[in-house]
Amino acid sequence: DVKVTQSSRYLVKRTGEKVFLECVQDMDHENMFWYRQDPGLGLRLIYFSYDVKMKEKGDIPEGYSVSREKKERFSLILESASTNQTSMYLCASSLNRPQPQHFGDGTRLSIL
Amino acid sequence: GESVGLHLPTLSVQEGDNSIINCAYSNSASDYFIWYKQESGKGPQFIIDIRSNMDKRQGQRVTVLLNKTVKHLSLQIAATQPGDSAVYFCAEGAQTGANNLFFGTGTRLTVIP
Repeated sequence: DVKVTQSSRYLVKRTGEKVFLECVQDMDHENMFWYRQDPGLGLRLIYFSYDVKMKEKGDIPEGYSVSREKKERFSLILESASTNQTSMYLCASSLNRPQPQHFGDGTRLSIL
Repeated sequence: GESVGLHLPTLSVQEGDNSIINCAYSNSASDYFIWYKQESGKGPQFIIDIRSNMDKRQGQRVTVLLNKTVKHLSLQIAATQPGDSAVYFCAEGAQTGANNLFFGTGTRLTVIP
C-alpha cells in the first residue's frame, strides 16, 4: 500500500512565524500535492510538483511556497504565518496521470 | 449530493441497507472520476475510480455509476456497515494534461446500527 506520511498531526504556531510542513511518500511517485481543507470549501490545491525541483502553483498559492529537493519529500512553507492559514493541510502523491492521489492523514495547523 | 454551503449534506441509513451518494460535476471536459472516503481525523482514502469510456464500475461492495449526459456520478454501497460512516466526496479530473483533481465538498454518511 502507498504510504504518505506527514510529519506532524497537530501544530500550533504564532503569527509571523515561518512554518514548515513535511510530507514523505514511499512509493516512488512522480507527483506530489499540497491541499488545505476547510469546512464547506472542500480541498483546495495550494501547490503541486511533477518532478524533483519542479513546482507549480495551484488555486491558492498566496502566502505559501514549496520545496522538492528529493523525489520522496515535498515540503510546504508558510513564509510568515497568519491566522487565516489555520486549517487542515493534506499532502498527496500519485504515480502518473491519471491515477488516484493517495493522501496522508493531515496536519491540523493552528496559527495564534 | 454535493453542497457548496457550510453544512454537508447528510445521509442516514440503517445497517444492512444500501446507500447511494450522489455527485454533480461541473466540467464537461472531465473524463476521470474518483470517489474518496474520509473518516474523522484521517486523510481521504481512495475507494474507486472510473474513466469516461465506462458508465459503471464495481468494486468490493461499491459501484460507481457515471452519467455523462447530465454530468452526474453516484456511489452505491451495498449492505452498509457501521464502518462505512464517513464523509464521501467525488473528484473530477482529466486523463491528459495535469493530474489535478477538483473535489466536491462531500456528503456525510451515518450508518445506524
